[in-house]
Amino acid sequence: GENVEQHPSTLSVQEGDSAVIKCTYSDSASNYFPWYKQELGKGPQLIIDIRSNVGEKKDQRIAVTLNKTAKHFSLHITETQPEDSAVYFCAARRNTGGFKTIFGAGTRLFVKA
Amino acid sequence: EAQVTQNPRYLITVTGKKLTVTCSQNMNHEYMSWYRQDPGLGLRQIYYSMNVEVTDKGDVPEGYKVSRKEKRNFPLILESPSPNQTSLYFCASSLGRIGTDTQYFGPGTRLTVL
Repeated sequence: GENVEQHPSTLSVQEGDSAVIKCTYSDSASNYFPWYKQELGKGPQLIIDIRSNVGEKKDQRIAVTLNKTAKHFSLHITETQPEDSAVYFCAARRNTGGFKTIFGAGTRLFVKA
Repeated sequence: EAQVTQNPRYLITVTGKKLTVTCSQNMNHEYMSWYRQDPGLGLRQIYYSMNVEVTDKGDVPEGYKVSRKEKRNFPLILESPSPNQTSLYFCASSLGRIGTDTQYFGPGTRLTVL
């Protein structure tokens, strides 16, 4: 079946360094790729997304890249801060058939001060 | 304030005792969905609803029921809960139209079935 693989499962970086989280999806009909941040005790919150007709998108310290041919997409966080510590989920979704969204297993990011 | 609310936030129950987790959104969203979150598995979709009276199964619907009688509410029903339904549950909503895909998640309901 369709799935999204996410790596690494845990990532620890020093404050100010960059963090990269990678995902691979299997459903070639996926055309929307959101990233969510989940803080302790809260629901996931969208931080950035990218559509299949775009290769890269930036929002301040956060960027996402998409390689549709290889079915890879990545989240890049630059100049990390302690408040970036959270669990991050990638997801892949198709805009047909009920907008089914498949999530990756999550990456726990620790930013050490 | 635009939000998705869930109740209860925490629930401990026993096997076989029917329960309902409520979900409500105040954003006039057409699309609503229920997910369960388990360690190492991410979020898995249980059921979704494209609009009032329109619901469909997600990836893990066994043991769950839903209803969508009003646009704002999407309750999750466990008719006979079992221990393998112990999990963290999230309700989410979105406009549900192409190009407006942002899903807004509720705060979660932690369910323990003994």
